[in-house]
Parts: sequence; C-alpha cells; structure tokens
Amino acid sequence: GAGVSQTPSNKVTEKGKYVELRCDPISGHTALYWYRQSLGQGPEFLIYFQGTGAADDSGLPNDRFFAVRPEGSVSTLKIQRTERGDSAVYLCASSLDPGTAKNIQYFGAGTRLSVL
Amino acid sequence: GDSVTQMEGPVTLSEEAFLTINCTYTATGYPSLFWYVQYPGEGLQLLLKATKADDKGSNKGFEATYRKETTSFHLEKGSVQVSDSAVYFCALNLDSNYQLIWGAGTKLIIKP
Repeated sequence: GAGVSQTPSNKVTEKGKYVELRCDPISGHTALYWYRQSLGQGPEFLIYFQGTGAADDSGLPNDRFFAVRPEGSVSTLKIQRTERGDSAVYLCASSLDPGTAKNIQYFGAGTRLSVL
Repeated sequence: GDSVTQMEGPVTLSEEAFLTINCTYTATGYPSLFWYVQYPGEGLQLLLKATKADDKGSNKGFEATYRKETTSFHLEKGSVQVSDSAVYFCALNLDSNYQLIWGAGTKLIIKP
C-alpha cells in the first residue's frame, strides 16, 4: 500500500477483555515498530520486528502485551485482560533500513484504544 | 539515559510570525535527529532530519540545525501559516539502537 495502515482506527473495550490491533506496513519494509502514545506525551517504544522475529521487545510493559508478525509483513499487537491504564493511541511504523542514518520511520494514523 | 526535551506548549502565534521551537537532547554516541509533525486527525509525518553535527535539515520552509556543542536541534520557520497548526515532536535515533526516542511534543497554534 501507499502508507502504513492501522485497523481499527478506534477500539472501545471493557476492562478485562482481549483486543487485537493490526498494522499493515509499507510494502517492502522489513522493519516494523509499535509505539504507545498517551495524551500529551511523545510516543513510547514497545517492540521492534526485523522480518518475522521480534528483535527487541524490551518496551512491552508486561506479559499481557504480545505482538506477532508471522509472515514478515502484517503485525498484530495483542493485549490480554485489558486495564484502564492501557488506554492510549497505539502507533505502528515501518522502515526500510533500520539501524542506519537512513532509518526514517513511517507512521500509521494509529489505533485509539479506550478501556472502560 | 538518552532523552529529548522540548519546550512546552501550546505556542500561539499570529500568521507570518517567526517560529522557534526549542529541542535539546542527551545521548550517548552520535544520534540522528528528527522533527515529526502531527496534524489534527492524522499520523506522525517526518518533517526534516539531520544525521551529523552541523547538518541542516529543511522542508516546507522549516529548518533545524544539528548543534553538537549545545546538543540542540531547534525548529525554525520564518513566516508561519494557519496550516502549520499541529503538534511538533523532536526525536533522536542512535544508529546502534533503532527505536526513536521522543520529546513530549509542542502544540503550535497559528491565528489568522
């Protein structure tokens, strides 16, 4: 596609439920990133994929959060037993050349998650 | 640890005014520096970048110069327009570490 696509754009759920957030990166981008942005703050790194593998998941806040990228393209961020504190905008980005000066990350519009 | 500090907003200016949004950083090593912009209802877009000291990034009339001696990357524009109203984020990236580290963002409001 032309850009990074994230679905849904908005997700409202109840405390304790399970949610999945989807990211479709720019075609050909091998690197994919998930960030979380709370109101009035900059994005916070969650996890980075290079191809199919999670190269760095050090930003995931706890074991309720998990992400996959089984075919090296689309990624899904999964949150179990959601809590009100999980409410935020979840951003996905992709890039062509991670770890170099060319590392320009292209962002999707985000999924706004609201946990009631 | 590595961090980015931006001036707090909102910054409110009249159309055609001169804009400066301050950004300073702390980093081990030699980061690349970025300004991203987030227009209302849209995703983050790269505005400009600089990858080494004294580089100047520029785009859409905006400029920022990578100043290693003052660890700064201030964003400037000579004459702002109403359409520049958005949230601006300064960020850094170390070549050895692919994740972007972000400032808190500065909301810019331009009044006609």
